[in-house]
Amino acid sequence: DVKVTQSSRYLVKRTGEKVFLECVQDMDHENMFWYRQDPGLGLRLIYFSYDVKMKEKGDIPEGYSVSREKKERFSLILESASTNQTSMYLCASSFHVREGRYEQYFGPGTRLTVT
Amino acid sequence: AQSVSQHNHHVILSEAASLELGCNYSYGGTVNLFWYVQYPGQHLQLLLKYFSGDPLVKGIKGFEAEFIKSKFSFNLRKPSVQWSDTAEYFCAVNLLDYGGSQGNLIFGKGTKLSVKP
Repeated sequence: DVKVTQSSRYLVKRTGEKVFLECVQDMDHENMFWYRQDPGLGLRLIYFSYDVKMKEKGDIPEGYSVSREKKERFSLILESASTNQTSMYLCASSFHVREGRYEQYFGPGTRLTVT
Repeated sequence: AQSVSQHNHHVILSEAASLELGCNYSYGGTVNLFWYVQYPGQHLQLLLKYFSGDPLVKGIKGFEAEFIKSKFSFNLRKPSVQWSDTAEYFCAVNLLDYGGSQGNLIFGKGTKLSVKP
């Protein structure tokens, strides 16, 4: 069974704080992703990584950065948290089924509130 | 920008009613298609997927979806819903030739399904 875990289910931070969200997967997947989920907006891709130390911007990277020092761990960093970053953050990892075919598996999410 | 449209924001059905949730995408190239489900308080789970071949795919819990390439659609169906199907459903597309070579997905905004017992 694929396991994607996220360090916290709920997090409350103050405006201006630096925030780290951690994600770990135990299936040796190459690709990892960070999304934010907001009511009525679905999931939007923030960043993804296809290898250690590699990262690619998604659709909404502003205000975020990421780190992937080890294959199993992908961190999302909010350099200076703002109230508009209050959201549910979902981490996912994907494996290569066959050429051009991937399946993504999601963690339970971290609900971040910035006050 | 490429997008995925889910036509219904909230669908309310009685138990045993039939379900069809619409999903359209705006891309003419090669796609992989997915439906995910999120039950209340739980994480996103893969319901079914389409990569190639038979355009009618079957997933878990009696769900199926049909890929109609000419309509850029991938609608989700279930002949008879149960109260336990109450959840939010997300359609997602992987655009293989348009920045999706690593499997990254574009999601629709989701459809909330409420099933009345």
